[in-house]
Amino acid sequence: GQNIDQPTEMTATEGAIVQINCTYQTSGFNGLFWYQQHAGEAPTFLSYNVLDGLEEKGRFSSFLSRSKGYSYLLLKELQMKDSASYLCAVRGRSGGSYIPTFGRGTSLIVHP
Amino acid sequence: SQTIHQWPATLVQPVGSPLSLECTVEGTSNPNLYWYRQAAGRGLQLLFYSVGIGQISSEVPQNLSASRPQDRQFILSSKKLLLSDSGFYLCASLTDYGGYTFGSGTRLTVV
Repeated sequence: GQNIDQPTEMTATEGAIVQINCTYQTSGFNGLFWYQQHAGEAPTFLSYNVLDGLEEKGRFSSFLSRSKGYSYLLLKELQMKDSASYLCAVRGRSGGSYIPTFGRGTSLIVHP
Repeated sequence: SQTIHQWPATLVQPVGSPLSLECTVEGTSNPNLYWYRQAAGRGLQLLFYSVGIGQISSEVPQNLSASRPQDRQFILSSKKLLLSDSGFYLCASLTDYGGYTFGSGTRLTVV
């Protein structure tokens, strides 16, 4: 099976930097994903890591260490609209297929 | 790019009534498709996935079922809804870049 752990809630100030951590256990690792989900809406894709290292995309960066089962999402220059839930997801082997499993999400509150 | 259509957006159904939620995908062929449920304040729970027409895998035992009658159509059904079936139902598709794209979801309330 797969197990994903991330903090339940974080708060940060507008303009600051925040790092959301995710640790995971899985068999047959085949990629780690970060999604943003605003209240009442569907998740939207932020990043995809399959190799170790940092992937940067604008104000968002995601890091992966496969040996440690660890990832983080880094958000820079925080804006009020970044207040949302951030979901860490891992794709691992289940039977004969690769299946994505999502963590419970980290609710980020950005205040002025 | 892929687009996923889900309807309806909101649904209120009595306990014991049937359910049918439809998901259709545009912009790709033979996609891997997934049904997720998100209960209030909870994470996404994978219910079913399909790698092709007529191929359904169930992740969680429940009173729900899924079918894939056409390449780009994925249907979630129940013969008799339970209160515990309430939640936000999301259809997702595996994309060419390796990630997943989601439909806009159906919020189901069983009363």
